[in-house]
Amino acid sequence: GAGVSQTPSNKVTEKGKYVELRCDPISGHTALYWYRQSLGQGPEFLIYFQGTGAADDSGLPNDRFFAVRPEGSVSTLKIQRTERGDSAVYLCASSYRDQETQYFGPGTRLLVL
Amino acid sequence: AQSVTQLGSHVSVSEGALVLLRCNYSSSVPPYLFWYVQYPNQGLQLLLKYTTGATLVKGINGFEAEFKKSETSFHLTKPSAHMSDAAEYFCAVLGGGSARQLTFGSGTQLTVLP
Repeated sequence: GAGVSQTPSNKVTEKGKYVELRCDPISGHTALYWYRQSLGQGPEFLIYFQGTGAADDSGLPNDRFFAVRPEGSVSTLKIQRTERGDSAVYLCASSYRDQETQYFGPGTRLLVL
Repeated sequence: AQSVTQLGSHVSVSEGALVLLRCNYSSSVPPYLFWYVQYPNQGLQLLLKYTTGATLVKGINGFEAEFKKSETSFHLTKPSAHMSDAAEYFCAVLGGGSARQLTFGSGTQLTVLP
């Protein structure tokens, strides 16, 4: 079956602009996660959804970052007033209910100029 | 709080040689441990995981790892390296505020020499 998909695969924007990154989880997976991977680092947790609600947003770095999952499937990560330090690969993962294995998408590479 | 330390950001082995990638963890609860592999410009692929039960776990592509509680380690091994094993490897522990977030190490880049 289809895996986790993310769009766009690459995004270049200018400092101060607004961006949206989309994640389409594996069909039937109720849990969805966002991570950020900076160059040379491991992924860092941002936010976790169970269904439509954010169960844990403790990893969001500041209030410029926001994520939604209105229908419990597709999720959008939104970044306002982008900064050069936001440049990273944004990874999305999903899992079935409370199963421990998270399946990752290919990521969106964001470059803020 | 959970944390993961991967010793050696770069490891080189010859084709056919033993692969050993080191991972030590810190966890306030019994850990669930994972190894993921990342090929260039791709997402993370699960190699293997430990949850409960047998401490020696086998994964895909001939990799295995052993959970050693006394050493807080979960080292990844493969008896004979193949050129296709060249990639970045991440160790991770499950836990955290919601007990659902993965905490990753900083990764080990494996190079396989012909």
